[in-house]
Amino acid sequence: AQSVSQHNHHVILSEAASLELGCNYSYGGTVNLFWYVQYPGQHLQLLLKYFSGDPLVKGIKGFEAEFIKSKFSFNLRKPSVQWSDTAEYFCAVRSSGGSYIPTFGRGTSLIVHP
Amino acid sequence: NAGVTQTPKFRILKIGQSMTLQCAQDMNHNYMYWYRQDPGMGLKLIYYSVGAGITDKGEVPNGYNVSRSTTEDFPLRLELAAPSQTSVYFCAIGDRGEQYFGPGTRLTVT
Repeated sequence: AQSVSQHNHHVILSEAASLELGCNYSYGGTVNLFWYVQYPGQHLQLLLKYFSGDPLVKGIKGFEAEFIKSKFSFNLRKPSVQWSDTAEYFCAVRSSGGSYIPTFGRGTSLIVHP
Repeated sequence: NAGVTQTPKFRILKIGQSMTLQCAQDMNHNYMYWYRQDPGMGLKLIYYSVGAGITDKGEVPNGYNVSRSTTEDFPLRLELAAPSQTSVYFCAIGDRGEQYFGPGTRLTVT
């Protein structure tokens, strides 16, 4: 069974700092990859996704993620965070030839101080 | 187009009571899911459905039941509420891993 690891459980940054959240998965085949964001008190929303093609994926609000197949990673980045980026971030992986149900990581809580 | 709606938003139950969490979608999607979210634990899949009349267990189905009589509705039933079921419950739709979530139901069992 596939698994997803998010190594940073809590991240605290000041505004304008750069962000990188790690995501590693344990499936060796072809995968679809996702990052979801959950703002305080809200539901999860899709931030960006990768199915195929350019491994550098651009999402909403200036976020991007890079798929590195050799490292089984899909790290989320943003060059300059804002206070409004305070949220919980979830990585999710689905094996593209298998179940349509994604496996979610446990999430990373990001707090951005103004 | 409301997407995915859930009712109620909040509920407090006493131990042993029962209730149904409602989930409805207007996107005509076949795949629907119920998750629970506990602090620091991410999302756990409770049940899912691939279409009307078809449901299956997820990772943590014990204490819950579902039905799917229509494409639009996917209610989640708690028969004998226990404190361990205190959580936030999310309904979602989607396939190929891309999911759209409802606003959630915050349930407290005391």
